[in-house]
Amino acid sequence: EAGVTQFPSHSVIEKGQTVTLRCDPISGHDNLYWYRRVMGKEIKFLLHFVKESKQDESGMPNNRFLAERTGGTYSTLKVQPAELEDSGVYFCASSLLLAGRYNEQFFGPGTRLTVL
Amino acid sequence: DAKTTQPPSMDCAEGRAANLPCNHSTISGNEYVYWYRQIHSQGPQYIIHGLKNNETNEMASLIITEDRKSSTLILPHATLRDTAVYYCIVRVAHSGGGADGLTFGKGTHLIIQP
Repeated sequence: EAGVTQFPSHSVIEKGQTVTLRCDPISGHDNLYWYRRVMGKEIKFLLHFVKESKQDESGMPNNRFLAERTGGTYSTLKVQPAELEDSGVYFCASSLLLAGRYNEQFFGPGTRLTVL
Repeated sequence: DAKTTQPPSMDCAEGRAANLPCNHSTISGNEYVYWYRQIHSQGPQYIIHGLKNNETNEMASLIITEDRKSSTLILPHATLRDTAVYYCIVRVAHSGGGADGLTFGKGTHLIIQP
């Protein structure tokens, strides 16, 4: 079975441009998360979808970031306009939605975003 | 979520057991201990979790002290592929399937020496 996939693997854009990152979760995983690690910092949680609904978006840094998950399958994270401090690695993770047990998160390989 | 303290780095010889400590002295009764790791250039990977009893799976063992203020992750026979940053995360018990976002600290960089 395929794991979590992310596209693109790398993206280099100029400040002020728009970039859209895509995440395809493991089939059947209703939970979907976005995280990011900016240079020299720890991995930070951005937001959590349950199916197509945003369960928790407390980690979103500002309104330049827009996450969507139409239809409850894949998700996109748009950064518009991108700033230099947005450079880093963006991870997506997914997990099952089963009550009564811990549903471990499976992470994708990440998208490395460089804003020049 | 309770704060955790881990050594920034550790070395271990290949084939030996790697013991990674984690202090979580402010852990509350309904908080679990979770371990994830991140191998270079990959996304984090779940290893194991526990509440108060020791746990073992195919990857590792988790030993939690009786007062639950600290724990140790044990990789019984470390290989070079176990070189990674290991994160100890303490958080409230998972709710009905809707696990929340994880809080990663700095972790321990474990280096397995050949």
